[in-house]
Amino acid sequence: QPVLTQSSSASASLGSSVRLTCTLSSGHSHYIIAWHQQQPGKAPRYLMKLEENGSYSKGSGIPDRFSGSKSGADRYLTISNLQSEDEADYYCETWDSNTRVFGGGTKLTVL
Amino acid sequence: EVQLLDSGGGLVQPGGSLRLSCAVSGFTFSSYGMSWVRQAPGKGLEWVSAVSGSGDRTYYADSVKGRFTISRDNSKNTVFLQMNSLRADDTAVYYCARVEATGDTDYWGQGTLVTVSS
Repeated sequence: QPVLTQSSSASASLGSSVRLTCTLSSGHSHYIIAWHQQQPGKAPRYLMKLEENGSYSKGSGIPDRFSGSKSGADRYLTISNLQSEDEADYYCETWDSNTRVFGGGTKLTVL
Repeated sequence: EVQLLDSGGGLVQPGGSLRLSCAVSGFTFSSYGMSWVRQAPGKGLEWVSAVSGSGDRTYYADSVKGRFTISRDNSKNTVFLQMNSLRADDTAVYYCARVEATGDTDYWGQGTLVTVSS
């Protein structure tokens, strides 16, 4: 089954941009993934689905500041014009026929 | 508006049982798979189980296989997670989630806390 690897933490300044990375394990670089945001004390929220070709489709109400991209086995979530409410944990997710997998999550700090 | 309302969590002794429920509204329930995802205190998300829209296919993480059973009642727009032989490491917030036809999890419940302790 696929494995997703994320950096444990990231930080960036208010108003700047940050790119978070999720890496698919060997042999799974063609997988579709999803990104989720979890603000402190809240349930996760779906951000977007990121296709193998790099195109992405966002969930309802997700601001334009959030975008996705890819390079090889790496899947990216870019947040531009960082706001204080973007300080959260970010998880990537993938799936196959009989299992679902989450990355370990990246804790984003907005300075 | 899509809504998922988790319930049924609580304090249970090791070896005990608990049944979680997730009542949904705002979409055609039988057209979507549903899953349960848990989050231990201070930890990341862990997928637990999933069920197809018709309920005829079920899937489990190895950590809960043989102890947990997922089911759904499409007449009541509700998905369930029956948890038996509970252990301390099952302590977590349990979230139900909707699975889109394309495979991604696109809506989450608010979560229900399960604490396994004597």
